Amino acid sequence: ETGVTQSPTHLIKTRGQQVTLRCSSQSGHNTVSWYQQALGQGPQFIFQYYREEENGRGNFPPRFSGLQFPNYSSELNVNALELDDSALYLCASTFNSDTGELFFGEGSRLTVL
Amino acid sequence: AQSVTQLDSQVPVFEEAPVELRCNYSSSVSVYLFWYVQYPNQGLQLLLKYLSGSTLVKGINGFEAEFNKSQTSFHLRKPSVHISDTAEYFCAVRRAAGNKLTFGGGTRVLVKP
Repeated sequence: ETGVTQSPTHLIKTRGQQVTLRCSSQSGHNTVSWYQQALGQGPQFIFQYYREEENGRGNFPPRFSGLQFPNYSSELNVNALELDDSALYLCASTFNSDTGELFFGEGSRLTVL
Repeated sequence: AQSVTQLDSQVPVFEEAPVELRCNYSSSVSVYLFWYVQYPNQGLQLLLKYLSGSTLVKGINGFEAEFNKSQTSFHLRKPSVHISDTAEYFCAVRRAAGNKLTFGGGTRVLVKP
């Protein structure tokens, strides 16, 4: 039990649609990051938020965007969905990004048809 | 940029036998190193991490790993596996002054009775 919960657990969208994925972190975890895990691959860093501001981004286009809220929840938004966006999206939070220990949620599995 | 190579995509092993999962990384700067485990339909759980100090790191569930700077490796070992160790294992690195984890492609461990 990591104290990080994600919703929805599964969802299906069609190409061109938009999706919002949600994450609720433990109280005090002021840093949240999102990862995309395609089938059979390791997770890839999308971006990180610290105190409600983005402070790091991986190699993902601007149609991937996020928000972090004061109540330790966050969102990942993806616009203009493409078939290759089908993946498991993992949220991870921490209270001390210096030590690098992240607490992962169980993920939201997105299928784009 | 950092990169991580997990040399074995799958490792079948009999119950109570030892197992070693190999991980090599490349980076031009100091890094922190991690091993995560992912059970089916779950998120990632931290097994162990190397930040500094002793190169032999002990983690949860009887796992240990050894950091070898000259060989840029961080291999994971367990002297005697259980059926419950069947899972996917990911090696990851992070710059000491950075905010993203770079994961390897994963090693699927299948423990057979």
